[in-house]
Amino acid sequence: EAAVTQSPRNKVAVTGGKVTLSCNQTNNHNNMYWYRQDTGHGLRLIHYSYGAGSTEKGDIPDGYKASRPSQENFSLILELATPSQTSVYFCASGDKGQNTLYFGAGTRLSVL
Amino acid sequence: QQKVQQSPESLIVPEGGMASLNCTSSDRNVDYFWWYRQHSGKSPKMLMSIFSNGEKEEGRFTVHLNKASLHTSLHIRDSQPSDSALYLCAASMDMGYKLTFGTGTSLLVDP
Repeated sequence: EAAVTQSPRNKVAVTGGKVTLSCNQTNNHNNMYWYRQDTGHGLRLIHYSYGAGSTEKGDIPDGYKASRPSQENFSLILELATPSQTSVYFCASGDKGQNTLYFGAGTRLSVL
Repeated sequence: QQKVQQSPESLIVPEGGMASLNCTSSDRNVDYFWWYRQHSGKSPKMLMSIFSNGEKEEGRFTVHLNKASLHTSLHIRDSQPSDSALYLCAASMDMGYKLTFGTGTSLLVDP
């Protein structure tokens, strides 16, 4: 099965601080995604990428940046973290042909 | 406004019973649908996909799709306590294109 690894698994940040969430996949998938999950909202798409060097805005990109330096790695950056960004963040990768997404274990972020 | 709407929000069925979950897209451009299952504290995993009008069955799970109404449904027969989870519907315009998820249906199978 596809392997997607997220780090850190848990993070406590201060308001106004910078937070970087990392994601690595070893399956040579073209597409990678960052979602956040909050009760009552399901999974909401923040940023995604179709390949190294490309990033696209998802449905809720405000306050987030993304970076895809290589096929394997996709980062989510919160330049100025706010309490409203407290959530569980999931990274996923997907094959262009099948479009099945494989999710990492998630990062629980608390911004105090 | 969520483009993928799921109902009901939560559902309780007895062990051995039938669970029926619904999903509708308000985006006329979508053409592909998936169902993901997420157990508590875990990450979502793809359960079934459906891309053509009609029905698809895999074991105890059956999905239906009506492309004209952009409605898909998931039916679980002989429900088991291990089926208790959050079920997420996802839709996409094209293969390899971004997926939009619904808010989910929380299913509890009562033993």
